[in-house]
Amino acid sequence: SYVLTQPPSVSVSPGQTATITCSGDKLRNQYATWYQQKPGQSPVLVIYQDTKRPSGIPERFSGSNSGNTATLTISGTQTLDEGDYYCQAWDSTSRLVFGGGTKLTVL
Amino acid sequence: QITLKESGPTLVRPTQTLTLTCTFSGFSLTTSGVGVAWIRQPPGKALEWLALIYWDDDKRYRPSLESRLAITRDTSKNQVVLTMTNVDPVDTATYYCAHSSYDFSTGEIWFDPWGQGTLVTVSS
Repeated sequence: SYVLTQPPSVSVSPGQTATITCSGDKLRNQYATWYQQKPGQSPVLVIYQDTKRPSGIPERFSGSNSGNTATLTISGTQTLDEGDYYCQAWDSTSRLVFGGGTKLTVL
Repeated sequence: QITLKESGPTLVRPTQTLTLTCTFSGFSLTTSGVGVAWIRQPPGKALEWLALIYWDDDKRYRPSLESRLAITRDTSKNQVVLTMTNVDPVDTATYYCAHSSYDFSTGEIWFDPWGQGTLVTVSS
């Protein structure tokens, strides 16, 4: 089955740029979606169609997709950005797939 | 404002059938491009997509669970129901429903917003 691979954890200092990657051998032909999940809360959409930001999501969140890797970038990371981040893609055969998640720590 | 809320049993015995209901407001499940999905998350683990029902009543399932899942809708009640047969302790998870959007030009699907989730424990 199709797999999206994310690093288990990423650490960044406040104010710095956090980069979270998502790799999949079909991503060059797919769009990537990203969700943020804070402890005890439901996931929240932060990026869709590789680069689009829903209303209400701060401009410091951005996305890109090149080759087989999609990337979520958080510029000027704040402590409130801590949480788990999941990438997602849709594959016509495997249907919808989530990555394993990345725990972002801001310290 | 779109809202969704999951309801169902908190405890299910192994081999039984689990039935979960998603009650939503703020959108119509007959609007083109709209869907409702079910996603689950075992304690401490990653998200796992289960099923999706579209505005035209088309349905998609996680291939590995397809034989155990059924998703249906009641548009008059604004509800989507997920049934999972022959549950096992590994099915213990928080189950979420979410509003989905389908982009006709790209075929992409995304979920926004999500319900609060409901924890289902499978144990004897």
